[in-house]
Amino acid sequence: GQQLNQSPQSMFIQEGEDVSMNCTSSSIFNTWLWYKQDPGEGPVLLIALYKAGELTSNGRLTAQFGITRKDSFLNISASIPSDVGIYFCAGQVTSGTYKYIFGTGTRLKVLA
Amino acid sequence: GAVVSQHPSRVICKSGTSVKIECRSLDFQATTMFWYRQFPKKSLMLMATSNEGSKATYEQGVEKDKFLINHASLTLSTLTVTSAHPEDSSFYICSASPLGGTEAFFGQGTRLTVV
Repeated sequence: GQQLNQSPQSMFIQEGEDVSMNCTSSSIFNTWLWYKQDPGEGPVLLIALYKAGELTSNGRLTAQFGITRKDSFLNISASIPSDVGIYFCAGQVTSGTYKYIFGTGTRLKVLA
Repeated sequence: GAVVSQHPSRVICKSGTSVKIECRSLDFQATTMFWYRQFPKKSLMLMATSNEGSKATYEQGVEKDKFLINHASLTLSTLTVTSAHPEDSSFYICSASPLGGTEAFFGQGTRLTVV
């Protein structure tokens, strides 16, 4: 199926460091969502972006909707051990039946 | 708010039997629910989009007769894996979008093991 490309695929960082990950697509999306998934659990919504250029924060998380509507990034500031998990971006397709296409995921590991 | 409950969280079944997974939106109404399958260390692959009161829209390559989806009410969708085989073993996750909303909220997932 169709997927969005996320980078990096995985990363190890030290506790307290800032993290940046991005998501790119060849298609335009009207809405971008960022999720975090812990092992054996369903994804949890972190941030939703609705407008091109929009910059939104949720605590230590900041995400931006790219101007071209084909990309988005997520930043995590001052990472802590509980930030460990897999982060997925999702773009909403609205042509025909609307649905969400998920990125390939970024696996984050935080070293204490 | 926006809680989606999936049941069961884990199920083991014998080859050839059918398994039903339920997805409920607990505190909102959802006209649309989505079913995903996730393999270990992989992303979520959309299987089908379920709209209340109408037939589900399946993604290419997903067998409709194998994965039966019913969306009988604005708060409940079910996925039935029919005549299950070991290759159907996977993590199945549902999500739901509120009426008029553009966000999707996920259930906790169901780990299916077919033996």
